[in-house]
Order: sequence, then structure tokens, then C-alpha cells
Amino acid sequence: KNEVEQSPQNLTAQEGEFITINCSYSVGISALHWLQQHPGGGIVSLFMLSSGKKKHGRLIATINIQEKHSSLHITASHPRDSAVYICAVEAGSARQLTFGSGTQLTVLP
Amino acid sequence: EAQVTQNPRYLITVTGKKLTVTCSQNMNHEYMSWYRQDPGLGLRQIYYSMNVEVTDKGDVPEGYKVSRKEKRNFPLILESPSPNQTSLYFCASSLIGWNTGELFFGEGSRLTVL
Repeated sequence: KNEVEQSPQNLTAQEGEFITINCSYSVGISALHWLQQHPGGGIVSLFMLSSGKKKHGRLIATINIQEKHSSLHITASHPRDSAVYICAVEAGSARQLTFGSGTQLTVLP
Repeated sequence: EAQVTQNPRYLITVTGKKLTVTCSQNMNHEYMSWYRQDPGLGLRQIYYSMNVEVTDKGDVPEGYKVSRKEKRNFPLILESPSPNQTSLYFCASSLIGWNTGELFFGEGSRLTVL
């Protein structure tokens, strides 16, 4: 079973700061997901990646398959980015997902 | 509008009273899945389905049943709910395929079993 570790668990930043959230996993995967959960509870998919790098607006996700590590970067952070960010990995073709414990991000104005 | 719809959103019930949480998607997705989210334990997969009539257990399937008779629907059944099934439940769906499997989540169903 894959072990998924996220760091940091909690992160407080000032508006405008560059933010990095990390995700490490123990077993080879077929894909990794970054999810965002707002205080109301809804979950939104930010990225799904299996190699390299993806960018969407101010968000960038990278993955290093050899090192079993992924990072989510937020440039020019804003208070509306305050949320829990969750990493999830899937192994093989069966789409069984294992989730990290999440990173609570608070961006102060 | 593309969406995953769960019902009910909130439910308080008593031990042993069978209940069903419905999940429906309008995106013709092959894959559907159920998760529960608990404080300190995060999200855990209960059951998933790769297509109609194909279902598989996730990490925490005990006490739950599912069925996938139609592509759009994937109900979660609690035959005899117990207090340890008090949780926030999410349904999700996606296409299956390399680099196309972005997950779409329902809004969540908060279940309390007394």
C-alpha cells in the first residue's frame, strides 16, 4: 500500500508570497492528483499528472517520478487561495487512490 | 452544466436503519468512486467502479455496498448503519484514460448515525 506524505501540514503566508506544498509517496504510481478543498467542504481537482510539469494560472504542479515526489506551487498568493490542498496517488490501472493528509494553507491580506 | 450530484447533502439517522446515498453524473464518465473523510484520517476510498456492472473495494469497504447498473448512477448503500459510519462522504467521477482522468467531485453528504 502506498504511503503518501504531505508537508507542511499547516502553512501561513502573506498575500503575494510564493508557496510550495510537497507530496512524497512510497511506491511507484501511474498518476498523481492535486485537489483543493475550501472551508465549505467542496473538493475541486487542480491537476492530474504522471510526468513533468503542468501550469494553470498561478498554480504549477511538478512531479519527479524517480524521486517519488511532487510539488504544488502557488505564485502571487491571494487570500482566496486559503484552503486545504490534498495530494492523491493512483497505482496501476485500477484507479485505487491513496490520499495525503492535506496541507492547510492560510493566506493573510 | 457538468456536475456530480449527491443526495442527501445532510442526514441524521439511527443505528440499523438502512439508507442510500445517491450519486449521479452527467458527463458520461466510466469511473465513479465513493470516499469518506474523517478528521485526522483524511480521505479514504470506500468503493469504486470502472464501468457498468464493474465494482471493486477500496480501502474501507466494510459496512457499505454499491451497485452500478447504469453508467450515470453509483449509489452507496448502508444496510445497517453504525455510529462509526458518521462521516462526510464524497462521490467522484472521471473519464478513464491516460492523462484524461481529472476527478469531478460531488458536494459531499454529511451523515450522522446516532
